[in-house]
Amino acid sequence: RKEVEQDPGPFNVPEGATVAFNCTYSNSASQSFFWYRQDCRKEPKLLMSVYSSGNEDGRFTAQLNRASQYISLLIRDSKLSDSATYLCVVNGNYQLIWGAGTKLIIKP
Amino acid sequence: NAGVMQNPRHLVRRRGQEARLRCSPMKGHSHVYWYRQLPEEGLKFMVYLQKENIIDESGMPKERFSAEFPKEGPSILRIQQVVRGDSAAYFCASSPGPGTTFIHGYTFGSGTRLTVV
Repeated sequence: RKEVEQDPGPFNVPEGATVAFNCTYSNSASQSFFWYRQDCRKEPKLLMSVYSSGNEDGRFTAQLNRASQYISLLIRDSKLSDSATYLCVVNGNYQLIWGAGTKLIIKP
Repeated sequence: NAGVMQNPRHLVRRRGQEARLRCSPMKGHSHVYWYRQLPEEGLKFMVYLQKENIIDESGMPKERFSAEFPKEGPSILRIQQVVRGDSAAYFCASSPGPGTTFIHGYTFGSGTRLTVV
């Protein structure tokens, strides 16, 4: 089993819709969780950290479910500019462990 | 405060040549991580270094690849006798250390795109 698993997609979503993706992790001792965004041929950039109580940043909401060991990302009112690959990241013993990413395509 | 600087941005090498990729971490960061990304694939961890130490090289191919992070100067990822399969984007990330990493994540450089012809 991979340490961090994501559905690779692609998710094809019409502009304005709400989309959500999950990510599961294997290490129950993990304490830090992040969502990164990677645009085509660019470096990954931090989108948001994920806190135990869940957190929101504008149209983006992140949730953590420790019991089931997954985190989720919800994007409301999706924009064309949200098209990207979303990377789920979890802490390991001394470095971050990366999912392979979920590709999101927003269609006009 | 400059971010993570990688150079060159693009590098073309003929098969059998050597490729040297450089990464200067953000000011105050002493931990460097190298990743490789093949076309249409995810990030693959290669190596984690602190100044003058390799902490984890479990993702490095056994042959032809090496990395260093000297006391002075940038971190270097070196690929000897390159082959077509080495063509990829190589990203470097830095952090002040695990404690801060787990709060703020990594900061990435813009990457070096290596093309082997």
